[in-house]
Amino acid sequence: QQQVKQSPQSLIVQKGGISIINCAYENTAFDYFPWYQQFPGKGPALLIAIRPDVSEKKEGRFTISFNKSAKQFSLHIMDSQPGDSATYFCAASQNYGGSQGNLIFGKGTKLSVKP
Amino acid sequence: DTGVSQNPRHKITKRGQNVTFRCDPISEHNRLYWYRQTLGQGPEFLTYFQNEAQLEKSRLLSDRFSAERPKGSFSTLEIQRTEQGDSAMYLCASSLDDRVDYGYTFGSGTRLTVV
Repeated sequence: QQQVKQSPQSLIVQKGGISIINCAYENTAFDYFPWYQQFPGKGPALLIAIRPDVSEKKEGRFTISFNKSAKQFSLHIMDSQPGDSATYFCAASQNYGGSQGNLIFGKGTKLSVKP
Repeated sequence: DTGVSQNPRHKITKRGQNVTFRCDPISEHNRLYWYRQTLGQGPEFLTYFQNEAQLEKSRLLSDRFSAERPKGSFSTLEIQRTEQGDSAMYLCASSLDDRVDYGYTFGSGTRLTVV
């Protein structure tokens, strides 16, 4: 059973456009939702994260939108650049009595930004 | 500290052989995780340590897999009697238990090919 479903599988965006990647989760106990960026040959790196007490978080060109009732969250990349071309993973984890559990990842979205 | 270090970067082995991977986490991080990533998929959780204690193991971690973290420092992941299905990228990550919002720091992984 896949606990975090990510779409689309791949995405092509023109330079300067907006990239949008969506994730849906099933476990209402999840309380931490990060996005990771992975370049070929490298491990994933934390991009931005959100907790369910806020509906949006922005860091530079990257924004997470969170909809608790729909159990969905999304990553928006504004003014997309060729250097943003990478694979993006959403993830989720839950807190167990004060200790955060391990991250569960989506299957990833391969983003290509065309010049 | 320059991050999480994994060795070797690549390993090719014949089916049935044993292999061992090493992970050196960020020194002040008390949590260490092992994930497996196959082509086109997100990282899948295998196991994690808090200091030297192995606190959780995924059902993906069959009896042929064993992980250790002696003295709460580096960790090793051993796969006995390798099978072709073990071919994957094995990722190590570390974090601070009470700084979950800082995310995991992943290493660049060990790519295992079983022939």
